[in-house]
Amino acid sequence: AQRVTQPEKLLSVFKGAPVELKCNYSYSGSPELFWYVQYSRQRLQLLLRHISRESIKGFTADLNKGETSFHLKKPFAQEEDSAMYYCALGDGDKLIFGTGTRLQVFP
Amino acid sequence: NAGVTQTPKFRILKIGQSMTLQCTQDMNHNYMYWYRQDPGMGLKLIYYSVGAGITDKGEVPNGYNVSRSTTEDFPLRLELAAPSQTSVYFCASSSPSYEQYFGPGTRLTVT
Repeated sequence: AQRVTQPEKLLSVFKGAPVELKCNYSYSGSPELFWYVQYSRQRLQLLLRHISRESIKGFTADLNKGETSFHLKKPFAQEEDSAMYYCALGDGDKLIFGTGTRLQVFP
Repeated sequence: NAGVTQTPKFRILKIGQSMTLQCTQDMNHNYMYWYRQDPGMGLKLIYYSVGAGITDKGEVPNGYNVSRSTTEDFPLRLELAAPSQTSVYFCASSSPSYEQYFGPGTRLTVT
């Protein structure tokens, strides 16, 4: 069955520390993966997609088909990165979301 | 360009009451979605639509109904509200891509 797993509900780091938000998926086929972010009092929005291989706000994510993972990384966390992060998997006409990880960055 | 709008922002219902959550988008997107967000559970898809007149069930459709008579509107109907439907409801829209645009959400409490 198609599934997205985010094992951490909460990740707390200090400003300047590296961050890695984990995402694993289960999908029969060629996956399309995404990271969505929800900042406090803002709407959920797309952060990045694996197919673009882009870096947004210093975040990158590499699709590892061997490990079925799509972890989100940033070398130096900033306080403004504090938010809820959702990993999502494209499945036909819809997205399957993980349960989300709340990132807290302390000053 | 307002994007995706949802009304109301908040609502308290008594058990057994009914209500409609409104969702409108002005981006001419064919695809629209309804999700519920429960603490620790992420986003669960309730219903979605790939165009006017076409709707399909998501992961958690029980207790809800939808209709899609226009491209712009995708209302979600709750019949006989139950405490288990207490949640935050999000509407989203997209073109045929996976970049979904979300509304601000409706916080619903059923007591």
